Amino acid sequence: NFMLTQPHSVSGSPGKTVTISCTRTSGTFAGTYVHWYQQRPGSSPTTVIFQDRVRPSGVPDRFSGTTDRSSNSASLSISGVTTEDEADYYCQSYDGTDWVFGGGTRLTVL
Amino acid sequence: VQVVESGGGLVQPGGALRLSCEASGFTFSFGLSWLRKAPGRGLEWVSIIDGEGEATYYADSVKGRFTMSRDWSTNMGFLQMNDLRAEDTATYYCARVYAHMRFDPLGQGTQVTVSS
Repeated sequence: NFMLTQPHSVSGSPGKTVTISCTRTSGTFAGTYVHWYQQRPGSSPTTVIFQDRVRPSGVPDRFSGTTDRSSNSASLSISGVTTEDEADYYCQSYDGTDWVFGGGTRLTVL
Repeated sequence: VQVVESGGGLVQPGGALRLSCEASGFTFSFGLSWLRKAPGRGLEWVSIIDGEGEATYYADSVKGRFTMSRDWSTNMGFLQMNDLRAEDTATYYCARVYAHMRFDPLGQGTQVTVSS
């Protein structure tokens, strides 16, 4: 089994860029992908980035993702944050028969 | 593409519940999964069944107590939950297992509360 570690919270002023990290504690991301989900209060989680860096249709290009397999870390960046971006964000990956979510990061736009 | 959960409710510790997931808009050859979100905690993967319905996998926290199945004739997935504990209290989401093990979409969720 492995874990994905995220910061509990991040914050930023409107219009700024925030970055959320996701670090794999054991094993590697080799041969797998990292996906990112957004969960707004009262709503179900939705995908904002899949396969490390791909944005689903309808997700603003302010959202971007990257995975560094040499350091076993991934990150989600949101540029020009607005209050509509306030939500919990989860990274997710898998390994064989183990599917894992990070603990989630609460984004607050100050 | 849609999944809709049902079957949640209030149950006493040690009791059982059966959750249902109605899938539509996609071929049933995709895998299905259950995820859950407990109060004050993050998303947790619970179980997964492959497109053929031949392989199922479970999180350690539910192994031996939960059983996932599917019925192709009705495009339904199920999660039988036995020996429920207070720590199983959560909103349970059904999800299609899409390319590269991405969960998409998730349903609106069904609430399970385990309390005496």
